[in-house]
Amino acid sequence: GIQVEQSPPDLILQEGANSTLRCNFSDSVNNLQWFHQNPWGQLINLFYIPSGTKQNGRLSATTVATERYSLLYISSSQTTDSGVYFCAVGIYNQGGKLIFGQGTELSVKP
Amino acid sequence: DADVTQTPRNRITKTGKRIMLECSQTKGHDRMYWYRQDPGLGLRLIYYSFDVKDINKGEISDGYSVSRQAQAKFSLSLESAIPNQTALYFCATSLAGAETQYFGPGTRLLVL
Repeated sequence: GIQVEQSPPDLILQEGANSTLRCNFSDSVNNLQWFHQNPWGQLINLFYIPSGTKQNGRLSATTVATERYSLLYISSSQTTDSGVYFCAVGIYNQGGKLIFGQGTELSVKP
Repeated sequence: DADVTQTPRNRITKTGKRIMLECSQTKGHDRMYWYRQDPGLGLRLIYYSFDVKDINKGEISDGYSVSRQAQAKFSLSLESAIPNQTALYFCATSLAGAETQYFGPGTRLLVL
């Protein structure tokens, strides 16, 4: 099955710093989503981005499907950005189910 | 009001007990999913359903069963709970033909 690898596994930033999170996947996909899991465990949709580039405020994401990776950019980080960021991929002919990476745990210090 | 709700939000049970976790959605989506998350790991798929009559096993279905009572309701049952089923359980929905999945708030389950 598809393998999803995220890097780095952990990241500590000072408030205001920028960061880039990476997601590599082992096969062609039709679906790629980025999630933020906050310290209370809730999963928040950030982007649906099987290809191309999207931006939402301080966050942006780029997926290069032909090279099988996606990047999540966080600019001017805030303490509320802390939590775990997950990348998940899916293939239409596999029922749309998502395969999750192990996540990147981000801690933003004031 | 939340589009995807889960009940209960927290549950403590004992080994051998049967329990049910419920999921409801008001998004009008056809597809519903149950995932579990173990500490420090990503989510893994337990079961998924394309509609009321179409239910499929995911990668870790052993020890679980599901029921799709209506388009809007999808329940997960642990027939005889065991401690290694202690986890955070998520329900998700998506619209057929569009693959963005939307997650509920999760149920924390502790099996003693």
